[in-house]
Amino acid sequence: KQEVTQIPAALSVPEGENLVLNCSFTDSAIYNLQWFRQDPGKGLTSLLLIQSSQREQTSGRLNASLDKSSGRSTLYIAASQPGDSATYLCAKTNAGKSTFGDGTTLTVKP
Amino acid sequence: DTEVTQTPKHLVMGMTNKKSLKCEQHMGHRAMYWYKQKAKKPPELMFVYSYEKLSINESVPSRFSPECPNSSLLNLHLHALQPEDSALYLCASSHPAGAKNIQYFGAGTRLSVL
Repeated sequence: KQEVTQIPAALSVPEGENLVLNCSFTDSAIYNLQWFRQDPGKGLTSLLLIQSSQREQTSGRLNASLDKSSGRSTLYIAASQPGDSATYLCAKTNAGKSTFGDGTTLTVKP
Repeated sequence: DTEVTQTPKHLVMGMTNKKSLKCEQHMGHRAMYWYKQKAKKPPELMFVYSYEKLSINESVPSRFSPECPNSSLLNLHLHALQPEDSALYLCASSHPAGAKNIQYFGAGTRLSVL
């Protein structure tokens, strides 16, 4: 069973909508969870990092939460814009290793 | 400066060639990583260096040989690769632990093995 799962795999929304991306993990042993953005053919850009002792982090229109007991993290994007279109990846880190989910590909239509 | 620089951006090599990928950061990070990413798949961890010592090798074939000459540089030496090794190779760096354990990624080297 895949250790880190992201739902949905793809999402298309009109500009201005608020949206939630989901990340779940099977192993509750976690040091931190990081959300990244990846544009096609590019590297990864760090968005937010949540330590295992924290419950959420916020940066601008982005808010990420972490619930270790249920093995879930969510990334909330407020007032989406076409420039937010990208693939969003979550990565769970433990014992120095990071394991990524397959990502959610977001398209925000003007 | 939160930049991780990878060179070259693109590399085409034959199966008998020897080449190297390079990664550099000047953020004072003491953990550096190599990942491999196939198309439409998430990055997969290959190697982790912590304080210039190899701390994690995810059972990577010996045709990939990492090297960390100093705290700012990370190399990946390639020899006798297979076509299935074609992928985007990503380097990342971070503080080894603590609240600043944010991984910063380079733009990657896109490798094609013919």
